[in-house]
Amino acid sequence: DTAVSQTPKYLVTQMGNDKSIKCEQNLGHDTMYWYKQDSKKFLKIMFSYNNKELIINETVPNRFSPKSPDKAHLNLHINSLELGDSAVYFCASSHSGGTYEQYFGPGTRLTVT
Amino acid sequence: ILNVEQSPQSLHVQEGDSTNFTCSFPSSNFYALHWYRWETAKSPEALFVMTLNGDEKKKGRISATLNTKEGYSYLYIKGSQPEDSATYLCAPNYGGSQGNLIFGKGTKLSVKP
Repeated sequence: DTAVSQTPKYLVTQMGNDKSIKCEQNLGHDTMYWYKQDSKKFLKIMFSYNNKELIINETVPNRFSPKSPDKAHLNLHINSLELGDSAVYFCASSHSGGTYEQYFGPGTRLTVT
Repeated sequence: ILNVEQSPQSLHVQEGDSTNFTCSFPSSNFYALHWYRWETAKSPEALFVMTLNGDEKKKGRISATLNTKEGYSYLYIKGSQPEDSATYLCAPNYGGSQGNLIFGKGTKLSVKP
């Protein structure tokens, strides 16, 4: 049983396209996150959702929008893709409270050509 | 911008050696510290979450300590094994129950058999 799953695992697309990455967790967590692993291998938080409400929105371009249809899903939509969006995107989930460990998905490698 | 420093950046040890690495972070408004283990081609896995000054946590041969007053944490691995080879990330949380994690660049450990 996969705890946190992401689809697709690889995504290759052209500049200007709009794409989505899906994330699902079956751990019963109430908080989900999106991270970007940048070119220097840093993990940086992009968004987090708690009980279907956005609670943290880091200074990412508004071309990125998280969508949470329910507590178990947090999808990432990206409009007008740019070359600099190429990265590995990780979804994670945890119980709320800040002192609970986060469980990460396998990552989605996005390549924009 | 909060600066989380991990040292050394990389470490090569022989099987059976014990090792330790450091995570330094701003102590002001500290809420919790997370440690994660990240194997190549996998996703980060939680090791510990610590909150109190003087906290010590242990999981098998891996242990961690926390000093919130001076802003540092040590991770120890006793009797390193090749399967311990991974990047070890620390991530403090400053935002309380709704705070996000600020990840360091990690310490990459390689254990030679």
